[in-house]
Amino acid sequence: NAGVTQTPKFQVLKTGQSMTLQCAQDMNHEYMSWYRQDPGMGLRLIHYSVGAGITDQGEVPNGYNVSRSTTEDFPLRLLSAAPSQTSVYFCASSGPGGGNTEAFFGQGTRLTVV
Amino acid sequence: GDSVTQMEGPVTLSEEAFLTINCTYTATGYPSLFWYVQYPGEGLQLLLKATKADDKGSNKGFEATYRKETTSFHLEKGSVQVSDSAVYFCALSDRGGGFKTIFGAGTRLFVKA
Repeated sequence: NAGVTQTPKFQVLKTGQSMTLQCAQDMNHEYMSWYRQDPGMGLRLIHYSVGAGITDQGEVPNGYNVSRSTTEDFPLRLLSAAPSQTSVYFCASSGPGGGNTEAFFGQGTRLTVV
Repeated sequence: GDSVTQMEGPVTLSEEAFLTINCTYTATGYPSLFWYVQYPGEGLQLLLKATKADDKGSNKGFEATYRKETTSFHLEKGSVQVSDSAVYFCALSDRGGGFKTIFGAGTRLFVKA
C-alpha cells in the first residue's frame, strides 16, 4: 500500500539548473497539492490540482510549474533553481471533498540549491 | 484570507506532564480543522480532525474541540510520553478557500524521560 510516493528524497542543484520533483499516488484521489516547508514558516502551498487537467496557484507559486495529465501523477518543475528554493517539498493528496478530508503526505524531498 | 496561528515552540515537557498547544484561526466560511503530526524525517500524518463547531476530535490520547466562538482548536493531552516528541501542525480547510489546506507554523514538542 504505497500511498503517496515522492522522488527523489534528496537533491542538490546548482543555481540556474532545472529539475522535476515527482509525485505519484495510488489512492485514486482527485485533489493533489505541493507544499514547501521552511523553518518557522510551516507549510506553504505552491500549487494544487482538483483533478486531471486542472491546476491552480497556491500561496508561493513563483518559480514553479505543475501539470496534471493523469489522476495519479502531479510533478513539480523548478524552471531555474535559486538558493531561495532550498527547502523541503511535500506532495499531498486528498479524496472526495478535497481538502475537507484527510490529506496524505509523501515522505518529502529535501532540495538544496547552491 | 484564511490563516492559522499556533503557539511558538519549542515546548519542552517531562514525561506524564499535561500538554496544551494553542491554535486559533481566521476563515471566511465554516472550515474543517485538523491537527497533523510530523515525526523526524517523515511527512505529516493526520492526528485528529473536527468538521463543525463543538465537535471534539480525538486520537492516541490527544484531543481538540472546535470552538467557533473563540475561533480556536487547542490540542491537549493529559499525559505525554517520550514518543510524542514531534512537530505538531494546526490546519484548516475551507470551502470558501477552494478546500485548500492552510497550515500553521508548527510547534515542536520535546518530551524528556
